[in-house]
Amino acid sequence: AQRVTQPEKLLSVFKGAPVELKCNYSYSGSPELFWYVQYSRQRLQLLLRHISRESIKGFTADLNKGETSFHLKKPFAQEEDSAMYYCALYTGRRALTFGSGTRLQVQP
Amino acid sequence: KAGVTQTPRYLIKTRGQQVTLSCSPISGHRSVSWYQQTPGQGLQFLFEYFSETQRNKGNFPGRFSGRQFSNSRSEMNVSTLELGDSALYLCASSSDSGGRTDTQYFGPGTRLTVL
Repeated sequence: AQRVTQPEKLLSVFKGAPVELKCNYSYSGSPELFWYVQYSRQRLQLLLRHISRESIKGFTADLNKGETSFHLKKPFAQEEDSAMYYCALYTGRRALTFGSGTRLQVQP
Repeated sequence: KAGVTQTPRYLIKTRGQQVTLSCSPISGHRSVSWYQQTPGQGLQFLFEYFSETQRNKGNFPGRFSGRQFSNSRSEMNVSTLELGDSALYLCASSSDSGGRTDTQYFGPGTRLTVL
């Protein structure tokens, strides 16, 4: 069965510190993974997807099929990065399976 | 373009009642998906509609149903409400341009409270 695991409910770092939000998945097919972000009082929005191999707002994520992981990284955290982050797996026919989310708190 | 809109934003109902939630997708988007978000279960896929047809359905009881109109607007209905149906219901639209993973754009959600 498909599953997305985000082991940390809360990740607290200081401004300027590196950030790594963990995501592991379980899926029998070829995975397509995404990171969604929800800032305070805003709607859920796409941050990045693995097929694009892009960097958005300084964040990157690499799909590691051997470790079945798709961790989100940023070398230097900013206070405006504080938000709820969700890892999601595309499971076919327009359905996404989401992880439970990690709240990132960047302290000044 | 205006974003995905959902009405109403807040609803309070009592057990046993039924409720209808509405979603207007981004103009030109033909695919509408619905998700339920609860503290315990997180974000879970309910169903997806395209051209007035349900193409996919998540693992929810038959009390949860939906439909899509010719203008792509969608409604979801929950009958015989239970306390556990209290949740934030999110709607997402995508262009369904043919790509397997067209970006889904989410609405602000409807907060349903069942008393």
